[in-house]
Amino acid sequence: AQSVSQHNHHVILSEAASLELGCNYSYGGTVNLFWYVQYPGQHLQLLLKYFSGDPLVKGIKGFEAEFIKSKFSFNLRKPSVQWSDTAEYFCAVNAANAGGTSYGKLTFGQGTILTVHP
Amino acid sequence: DADVTQTPRNRITKTGKRIMLECSQTKGHDRMYWYRQDPGLGLRLIYYSFDVKDINKGEISDGYSVSRQAQAKFSLSLESAIPNQTALYFCATSTNPGTGELFFGEGSRLTVL
Repeated sequence: AQSVSQHNHHVILSEAASLELGCNYSYGGTVNLFWYVQYPGQHLQLLLKYFSGDPLVKGIKGFEAEFIKSKFSFNLRKPSVQWSDTAEYFCAVNAANAGGTSYGKLTFGQGTILTVHP
Repeated sequence: DADVTQTPRNRITKTGKRIMLECSQTKGHDRMYWYRQDPGLGLRLIYYSFDVKDINKGEISDGYSVSRQAQAKFSLSLESAIPNQTALYFCATSTNPGTGELFFGEGSRLTVL
């Protein structure tokens, strides 16, 4: 079974600072990778996803993530954060075949709370 | 209207009471899930269903049961609620077979006193 670890529980930044949130997973086979965001009081929304191809994927609102297979990592980045990025961010993984079709259920990391001060 | 609808959105109940959380979806997805969110623990899977006749336990199914009444409806029951079941519960759907991408409901906040 796969597992996901997010390194930081709470990150506090000022506006315009750069962001990198760490995510590592444990699974020896092919995976699909996701970052979800949960704004205060709201449900989870997809930020970006990786199935195959270019390991650098771009999502909504200027976020990007890089899949490094050798490190089992899928870190989330944003060059310049805004106050409106304040939210909780979840990394998730599921096992898949080479074509990106999932084998089953998604496993989530513990989440990282991002607070951005104006 | 939301594609994945959960009711109730908020519920306060007492220990020992039976509670049902309901989820309905208009996305036409075969797969449905119930997750529980606790601070610092992320989302943990309670039960999931890949079609109407398929029900599977997740990692924390003890104390919970589910019913898949139709493709569009998946309800979660707490037969005898206890305080440590106080949490935010999310229903989600995905396509079959799909990539695993989930589409979430708005959440149901349950407080057990």
